[in-house]
Amino acid sequence: QITLKESGPTLVKPTQTLTLTCTFSGFSLSTSGVGVGWIRQPPRKALEWLALIYWNDDKRYSPSLKSRLTITKDTSKNQVVLTMTNMDPVDTATYYCAHRPATVTTLYYFDYWGQGTLVTVSS
Amino acid sequence: QSVLTQPPSVSGAPGQRVTISCTGSSSNIGAGYDVHWYQQLPGTAPKLLIYGNSNRPSGVPDRFSGSKSGTSASLAITGLQAEDEADYYCQSYDSSLYVFGTGTKVTVL
Repeated sequence: QITLKESGPTLVKPTQTLTLTCTFSGFSLSTSGVGVGWIRQPPRKALEWLALIYWNDDKRYSPSLKSRLTITKDTSKNQVVLTMTNMDPVDTATYYCAHRPATVTTLYYFDYWGQGTLVTVSS
Repeated sequence: QSVLTQPPSVSGAPGQRVTISCTGSSSNIGAGYDVHWYQQLPGTAPKLLIYGNSNRPSGVPDRFSGSKSGTSASLAITGLQAEDEADYYCQSYDSSLYVFGTGTKVTVL
């Protein structure tokens, strides 16, 4: 049974750096093909993909946020960490982490999601 | 920032059939990448509904079906039920990056 859970601050100030941790169970991030991604959703708005890290440490970032994002993994702890620098009120959103299954290489999707964590950016 | 376009809303009476379109381009859906669909009930995390254009994960009712043609894809819900009232998102792949649709709110009249 795959589960993921996001953790981190609920409130950050503008210009601060946000650090979110995704702790997962039921799979290993050392299994070929597996990935863990981050997706966010501002209140009453659409989903926006942010970043993803693969089992082989390959990392992908949204072009519009690439300069502000860093994604890392700790396979021994079953954790993936996302940092986002220079936070702004427009970054207020629910942040989700999700599992990309070890499937055929042409299928890129998320089959399990965490419950999400709401991050508010305000002074 | 979404590169996949969906209608903002669709509605239908219980029992009816509704469809949601997802329009992309030659760099994503048109490049041969598969389309996946997620259902987001109010106040909850998205849930995978369709993967690989037309495949349903275990537990998803067969009232939900997906298709893809050219640079577009569609999600159909037949026999609409009150519990289907939710937001629906398509998702694909573009230049080694994941992309989501603009989202569609389905209202059951």
